[in-house]
Amino acid sequence: DGGITQSPKYLFRKEGQNVTLSCEQNLNHDAMYWYRQDPGQGLRLIYYSQIVNDFQKGDIAEGYSVSREKKESFPLTVTSAQKNPTAFYLCASSPTGSEAFFGQGTRLTVV
Amino acid sequence: GQQVMQIPQYQHVQEGEDFTTYCNSSTTLSNIQWYKQRPGGHPVFLIQLVKSGEVKKQKRLTFQFGEAKKNSSLHITATQTTDVGTYFCAGHAGGTSYGKLTFGQGTILTVHP
Repeated sequence: DGGITQSPKYLFRKEGQNVTLSCEQNLNHDAMYWYRQDPGQGLRLIYYSQIVNDFQKGDIAEGYSVSREKKESFPLTVTSAQKNPTAFYLCASSPTGSEAFFGQGTRLTVV
Repeated sequence: GQQVMQIPQYQHVQEGEDFTTYCNSSTTLSNIQWYKQRPGGHPVFLIQLVKSGEVKKQKRLTFQFGEAKKNSSLHITATQTTDVGTYFCAGHAGGTSYGKLTFGQGTILTVHP
């Protein structure tokens, strides 16, 4: 069953903790993206990767880190440096020059 | 950096009325993509436009890419309750069809039966 999978669906984090959001795709796409969605602010790009072992900062990278050790995987770590991490996080993948396919998202809440 | 703006932010219509959302980029785009996100869901791709002045139709939806490749519009004719959701435009900066994909803020469409 092909697609892009994000886990977990819901995540709770205590202040000061790092948490890692998982994103896996079996579509053989080169590009992968992480977006943050807040009410009324659309999708803001955190990081993106065009190829294994390479990634670029997006518009709001501060407080986040990523890795791209495998083509299929692009995990996002929300660090304690991110002061307002409560949001809906969306991962996407894309073949070059074509549309993005999104996962179901992870809703992160700081408790 | 590149900015993509969408207006309006919200639109309430009666079922059967038309709806249009506009997208404007601060820089020339190599392509424009449109997505729809249903409440509680994730964005789903609708269409991609690449050529200057291009117009594409999908049933009641008409998409247009501006001559300067800096703006776009989505028009829905005779809205239905199934059209409810947030509509996003997104694009790659001019000169490349890969890399950074920037989204607009979206237009939230509500359709009253």
